[in-house]
Amino acid sequence: NSKVIQTPRYLVKGQGQKAKMRCIPEKGHPVVFWYQQNKNNEFKFLINFQNQEVLQQIDMTEKRFSAECPSNSPCSLEIQSSEAGDSALYLCASSLGQDTQYFGPGTRLLVL
Amino acid sequence: KTQVEQSPQSLVVRQGENCVLQCNYSVTPDNHLRWFKQDTGKGLVSLTVLVDQKDKTSNGRYSATLDKDAKHSTLHITATLLDDTATYICVVGASFNKLTFGAGTRLAVCP
Repeated sequence: NSKVIQTPRYLVKGQGQKAKMRCIPEKGHPVVFWYQQNKNNEFKFLINFQNQEVLQQIDMTEKRFSAECPSNSPCSLEIQSSEAGDSALYLCASSLGQDTQYFGPGTRLLVL
Repeated sequence: KTQVEQSPQSLVVRQGENCVLQCNYSVTPDNHLRWFKQDTGKGLVSLTVLVDQKDKTSNGRYSATLDKDAKHSTLHITATLLDDTATYICVVGASFNKLTFGAGTRLAVCP
């Protein structure tokens, strides 16, 4: 069973507001992933880290999304200026590297 | 084009019945295929992972098959329970870091 912790579980923001969510990966897992699951159950990979370094990210993440995984602190994903289309379930996963990804329960973001 | 197609989109069964969920994919390479269960509004719980060219796994009431030649997988749930009500998601991994997700099959188990 996954021990990935995500907070908050639910987040409601107005358009243009910042939205920040956090993830604590499983202990000892150096690789962290962020995914967006929209209302049609479509998953989109956003970004992943190995320790504090970004491994891969998509264009959307580069422009309005920022993410970091500081040492000894939770990882975070922040949307600088929320849009209605950002409403989704944001899933964090962690892994040892070339191994299974373990998913957290997600943060459900609603942008009004 | 959808790279991982799941069918049916939704399914209703009575408690105690068996059901079969299908997953067809076009992802290459297909290093592994995993089935997840997602309760409404919650994260993904791994049920089983298939790796071999023709693979079979069993995990309690869940069993799964994979045929990489046909790029096809099935998930069988035996003697369904009310708690099996969830969305079942098929995920194909080109590697453990590159995953392609299906849109899921919504299963409802009725008393």
